Formats: sequence, C-alpha cells, structure tokens
Amino acid sequence: AQSVAQPEDQVNVAEGNPLTVKCTYSVSGNPYLFWYVQYPNRGLQFLLKYITGDNLVKGSYGFEAEFNKSQTSFHLKKPSALVSDSALYFCAVRGALTGGGNKLTFGTGTQLKVEL
Amino acid sequence: KAGVTQTPRYLIKTRGQQVTLSCSPISGHRSVSWYQQTPGQGLQFLFEYFSETQRNKGNFPGRFSGRQFSNSRSEMNVSTLELGDSALYLCASSPTLRTASPYEQYFGPGTRLTVT
Repeated sequence: AQSVAQPEDQVNVAEGNPLTVKCTYSVSGNPYLFWYVQYPNRGLQFLLKYITGDNLVKGSYGFEAEFNKSQTSFHLKKPSALVSDSALYFCAVRGALTGGGNKLTFGTGTQLKVEL
Repeated sequence: KAGVTQTPRYLIKTRGQQVTLSCSPISGHRSVSWYQQTPGQGLQFLFEYFSETQRNKGNFPGRFSGRQFSNSRSEMNVSTLELGDSALYLCASSPTLRTASPYEQYFGPGTRLTVT
C-alpha cells in the first residue's frame, strides 16, 4: 500500500521569507512524487513532479522540491514566498510499478498562509 | 488546449436519488481518473479509465460506478445517494507515456455535490 504524510495542517510564513511544506511517503519500489496546489473552489493545479534523475526538481511559480530517498521525503520549497502563494498544498505518490495505472495517493494537505 | 471540463459544477440531490457526473478530458488524453474530496477523508481515488476500460479502482462501494466513451469522455454515477456522498468530485486526465509530460494528471474544477 502507498501512503503520504503531511505533518503540518498549516504553515505560516512572512512574505519574502523562504517556505517549506513537508511531505514523507511510503510506497513499494521507486516512487513517482507530485505536488499540487488548490485555490478555494478550484480543482488541483500541478506544480511539479519527481520521476527519476536529479533529486532537486524545479516547477511552476518558483517552487522546487527535493527528493530524499533515505528519508523518504519530498519537501516543497520556495526561496521567497508571496501572498498569492497562500493556498492548500497536496503531496501525492504513486508507485512506479503499478502496471501503468495512474492511481495517486494524496496527503491530507497543508494550508499555506503567507502574510505581509 | 482546453483544460479538463466537468459538468455540472454544482448539484443538489436528495438521499436515495442517483446522480451522473460528466468529465471531458484534455484533447488527446486517454486516461481519466476520478477522485472524491471531503473535509473528513481528504482526497480519495475512486477509479481510473483508460481506452474505455477500468484500469484501477479505489475502495468505494458498488454504488459508485463509471464508464468511459470512445472519445475518452467519462461519466461517473452514484446510486442511492447518502448524506456522506456530499463532496467535491474531481476528474483528472493524463497523457500517454509517449509524450513530453507523462504521469502528470490535469484536474478539472470539480463538481460540488450536496446531498440533503
């Protein structure tokens, strides 16, 4: 079975400061990892993914994430937060060996609040 | 390219009724997945269809069913609605592996179902 943990329900950060949203995962075999963002009354918007290769993945809107296999983590980061980054962030995982299926398992989400 | 579209956006039904939700994937995408999002259970995978065949199924009762048509459009049906079925139902489509962005899922805005 695959699972994702996002230990923080909410993260508060001042605008201009770096932000980190934490994610750890459990999956059989190699993981495919994803970050999505959700704004109020909207669907999920893809930010970035790790499939293979470099552990540091760069995505949309200045976000990046670092894959750490030994710690089974995939933390989302941004060097300088904006008020407009305030939203609900989801980490998701699927195993590489799923017979081609696209079933994603999501974490519970982390509400990011960026204040002036 | 147009994004994933879902209809209707909002729906109010009574317990015991049935409902059908529709999803049109991004042009060229053959995989369509459905997710249920609730405050209590978070995002949960319902099922995935690929080339008109169900490829994956989540842990939901048989009241939840789906299908995919030859043009990749998908519908999901919930029969004998219960209060607990009130949720945001999200549809996502994925490109095939032989594309520049395999594995990514692109989400629609969702259908907000309220059961009274």
